[in-house]
Amino acid sequence: GEDVEQSLFLSVREGDSSVINCTYTDSSSTYLYWYKQEPGAGLQLLTYIFSNMDMKQDQRLTVLLNKKDKHLSLRIADTQTGDSAIYFCAESLSSGNTPLVFGKGTRLSVIA
Amino acid sequence: GAVVSQHPSWVICKSGTSVKIECRSLDFQATTMFWYRQFPKQSLMLMATSNEGSKATYEQGVEKDKFLINHASLTLSTLTVTSAHPEDSSFYICSARAGSNQPQHFGDGTRLSIL
Repeated sequence: GEDVEQSLFLSVREGDSSVINCTYTDSSSTYLYWYKQEPGAGLQLLTYIFSNMDMKQDQRLTVLLNKKDKHLSLRIADTQTGDSAIYFCAESLSSGNTPLVFGKGTRLSVIA
Repeated sequence: GAVVSQHPSWVICKSGTSVKIECRSLDFQATTMFWYRQFPKQSLMLMATSNEGSKATYEQGVEKDKFLINHASLTLSTLTVTSAHPEDSSFYICSARAGSNQPQHFGDGTRLSIL
């Protein structure tokens, strides 16, 4: 079955880059997503990448996809205290109207 | 664009009460909406998938008579927790998407506390 794995915690200093990693098992994934959840809030879609792309950049966010290794990463440049949150990786499968498969989330703590 | 509004954001009520949570897509038509439950410091647990005009598909272990889902239009889905008890206290989040290859957009969640 489908499975998405993420490390649970990451701590970085303000101004440094953060890299959050994710691995998935289903090679038929069509889209891969990164969501951000702040305390007490819902999930905010940060960015997503189609499976035939290797990289996508959007301001401070860079997504890298290694389809061969089924590895996805999210790099946040110049990390700020406001970036502290839980980041969820999710995959969308090609089999029609199916829900996303989520990882357990990575809690990013930014130290001032 | 792609805003999903969830209401109410916080509910406190007595045991035995039924509680209705609304999920609206404000600027797009959502062919599919999803309802999740999230326990503290855990990931989202999918409860059910709801397609407009048809019955919801519930995940294993989720009681359909307990968690009633109605998706009457392309912009509104409701989740009713019937005869809620303290063990139903949780954070409930909905999401909506315009099509099968479109991203899911999430509401801000509803914190349900049953006394």
